[in-house]
Amino acid sequence: SQQGEEDPQALSIQEGENATMNCSYKTSINNLQWYRQNSGRGLVHLILIRSNEREKHSGRLRVTLDTSKKSSSLLITASRAADTASYFCATDDMGGGSEKLVFGKGMKLTVNP
Amino acid sequence: GEEVAQTPKHLVRGEGQKAKLYCAPIKGHSYVFWYQQVLKNEFKFLISFQNENVFDETGMPKERFSAKCLPNSPCSLEIQATKLEDSAVYFCASDTDRGDVGELFFGEGSRLTVL
Repeated sequence: SQQGEEDPQALSIQEGENATMNCSYKTSINNLQWYRQNSGRGLVHLILIRSNEREKHSGRLRVTLDTSKKSSSLLITASRAADTASYFCATDDMGGGSEKLVFGKGMKLTVNP
Repeated sequence: GEEVAQTPKHLVRGEGQKAKLYCAPIKGHSYVFWYQQVLKNEFKFLISFQNENVFDETGMPKERFSAKCLPNSPCSLEIQATKLEDSAVYFCASDTDRGDVGELFFGEGSRLTVL
């Protein structure tokens, strides 16, 4: 079942600007992850935030998690043309009793040079 | 190996033909997952394995889809009697033996086109 929903669906910005993507989910989670997919490639893991964490940083990435609102945001600072990709949030399926990630529909980010 | 290897990269089949895709997980990873991505949209979970045992097959269209992970062999996903709607990119991912779902390592995918 669809769990994460990214917002916006597409975003176009200029190099150097910040990009913010939001993700909402429906069930209880252990952790939430963000992945990037370059055109024609597989998913690459970016960052994982656990349900007891509120914010996490990794390089130019900042992720927040609000479990009360069942939402997360991914901020990419000082964007580069190489950040152009689709970004997906993913949550572990606690309700299903199995270990799998449920992905959102993705958000396409275009960073113009 | 140090990366998830999927073959073939591209596969074209006529409707009704069989398609078989392969995945070699990262060495030492116990969990294997298959996902289907249609039109660059969401990733639909199909099936997961813990070593050679099916762990979760709730996403599998059981009539025509089957999968295996046998010892000392690549994992496989087979589609009997393909349909047009099976056209998608099929991704395999692997994970280490952990208590909760951590980072998944994805292959580059196998693009199946059903004509």
